[in-house]
Parts: sequence; structure tokens; C-alpha cells
Amino acid sequence: DSGVTQTPKHLITATGQRVTLRCSPRSGDLSVYWYQQSLDQGLQFLIQYYNGEERAKGNILERFSAQQFPDLHSELNLSSLELGDSALYFCASSVYTLAPTDTQYFGPGTRLTVL
Amino acid sequence: DQQVKQNSPSLSVQEGRISILNCDYTNSMFDYFLWYKKYPAEGPTFLISISSIKDKNEDGRFTVFLNKSAKHLSLHIVPSQPGDSAVYFCAASDTNFGNEKLTFGTGTRLTIIP
Repeated sequence: DSGVTQTPKHLITATGQRVTLRCSPRSGDLSVYWYQQSLDQGLQFLIQYYNGEERAKGNILERFSAQQFPDLHSELNLSSLELGDSALYFCASSVYTLAPTDTQYFGPGTRLTVL
Repeated sequence: DQQVKQNSPSLSVQEGRISILNCDYTNSMFDYFLWYKKYPAEGPTFLISISSIKDKNEDGRFTVFLNKSAKHLSLHIVPSQPGDSAVYFCAASDTNFGNEKLTFGTGTRLTIIP
């Protein structure tokens, strides 16, 4: 158990809908990262937050947004969903030193299926 | 463009033998490399890492080798155990300017045969 929790574990929805994925980082971790893993692909970095502020952005679609709240949990919002958004979405967290070599600890992921 | 490549989708190794997983990268700015292990229905778990100033890092049964000129790294597991059966992801990072983004390969499924 990495200490990172993600809810829900599974989500099935229809095209055009909006969903929210939730992540709670490990106790004491201030950085949260979101990654997307599509079928047979590696994990693709989406976005990083540090202590409530956006720190880095990857190939995140404009239909996707995220935020980190004062209690450090994070939410990833996906809107106008398309079939191609079906994927595993992982959240990771790391400690507060902001050293690039800080280990990222991953949650179990949320499997999103868009029908 | 896949900047980190794991060309072997799967690998089977007998228990007790050496497992060698390979990874190639194209971005010469990458200076920090990691291996993650993933079991079904779980998130990736950090295994071992190496900085570009080194060419080898060892942790118990796991050793990572880095060949910068070839832009290649490998993970050696000796001896292989049934619990090592998992998907292994290679990841890389350009740590300049405090960048923490990881770029992952597509993974290699390792099966240890008892």
C-alpha cells in the first residue's frame, strides 16, 4: 500500500458526460501528479500540483482540468468525454522538497470507461 | 513520439535465473532514470533509480545499468523469483530547472516460470 488513495476504482459513463476523479496523497506529501494510461501505452503525464498551485503541465487536453485543495487532496475533472478518454488514470504524490529525484508514489488508479 | 521505448512487450524467465529488461531513450536531456514495477489492479511501485552521473546502481537483487552513449538502460534481477512476475516500466526525467515530470515506456511483462 503506497498510502495514496484514489476514488472511485471504476467509473463507467457515456460520451459527452463529465466526471471527477479524486486523489488523496500520502500524509505529508505536498506534490500531486496525474497520469493517464491508455491501452498498451505507457503512463502519460498530465499535470502536477504543489501545495495548491499548478506546477507543471503535460499533454493535458483543454477538456480536462485539475485542482488541489487546502487539505492537499486533488481532483481531476474530465468533461465532454469521448471514447478515447477511456483509460486508467493514476495519481501520484511525492514529498515537499521539490527535488526532481523525489520518489513518486502511485495510487491504485481509476479505470474510466466511456461508452 | 515515444521518447522512452521498451521494445519487448513480454519476457519469460525461469526461477533462479537472471532477468534482463531493456529500455532505450531518445531525449538526450534525460538525466535521471527509474524502474517501476506494477502488479494487476495496483499502481506502479518504485523499484530503483539511477542518475546520469553513474553507470550502475545496485539494490539487493536489482541492478540498473546505464549506457549514456547508447541511450540505453537495463534492469537485471538476480536471482529471479516468482514474486517478480509483474509489468516493469522504465521512466526518465529531465531534472533541469526542477522538472519532476516522468516519461514512461510502455512496459515489459515479466513472467517467472517456477
